Amino acid sequence: DTGVSQDPRHKITKRGQNVTFRCDPISEHNRLYWYRQTLGQGPEFLTYFQNEAQLEKSRLLSDRFSAERPKGSFSTLEIQRTEQGDSAMYLCASSFPDGTGELFFGEGSRLTVL
Amino acid sequence: AQSVTQLDSQVPVFEEAPVELRCNYSSSVSVYLFWYVQYPNQGLQLLLKYLSGSTLVKGINGFEAEFNKSQTSFHLRKPSVHISDTAEYFCAVPGNFGNEKLTFGTGTRLTIIP
Repeated sequence: DTGVSQDPRHKITKRGQNVTFRCDPISEHNRLYWYRQTLGQGPEFLTYFQNEAQLEKSRLLSDRFSAERPKGSFSTLEIQRTEQGDSAMYLCASSFPDGTGELFFGEGSRLTVL
Repeated sequence: AQSVTQLDSQVPVFEEAPVELRCNYSSSVSVYLFWYVQYPNQGLQLLLKYLSGSTLVKGINGFEAEFNKSQTSFHLRKPSVHISDTAEYFCAVPGNFGNEKLTFGTGTRLTIIP
């Protein structure tokens, strides 16, 4: 399968712990996006990369959140000192920079903070 | 900033009946528009997209949408729904031309009644 893959699919953690999610985009895509989705809401943009450069960060991305894409391939999203409000589905997507806006999504990583 | 509004949070429809899911957009520049579908416990999948040309766009699974510039709408339709169409449907619009960050609507949950 050559789609976007995310790991882990589910993560349960205690408040205050750190968690890290990984995303492997489609290999030919040089843009990679992170979104957050809470129950009953549409995906909310967090950040995106073109190759290894982080081009934009949403104000939703507090100082406890950090994303990297060190070699322009896979990306990690780390949440430090998790809070119950961080419970959500974290979605990764990738795309060509062809100006159309079409994104290819992974199946998401669901975070539950107890 | 470009945005989309989905007026209906939930739409129940009897099996084999037609359905229309509404989406209105706000934009002052050239518009690309998307519909994505999210089946239970899965990531988002592109249903169809409008980039230019014909205002009637056909997508997967028998869905179609019509771009209406005068009404700033991009409603999604299907003439006869099936149980398998039960899902969450999201309308989305990219940012400024050349910026592919998608902004999603709040979604419409389509429930098919047998």
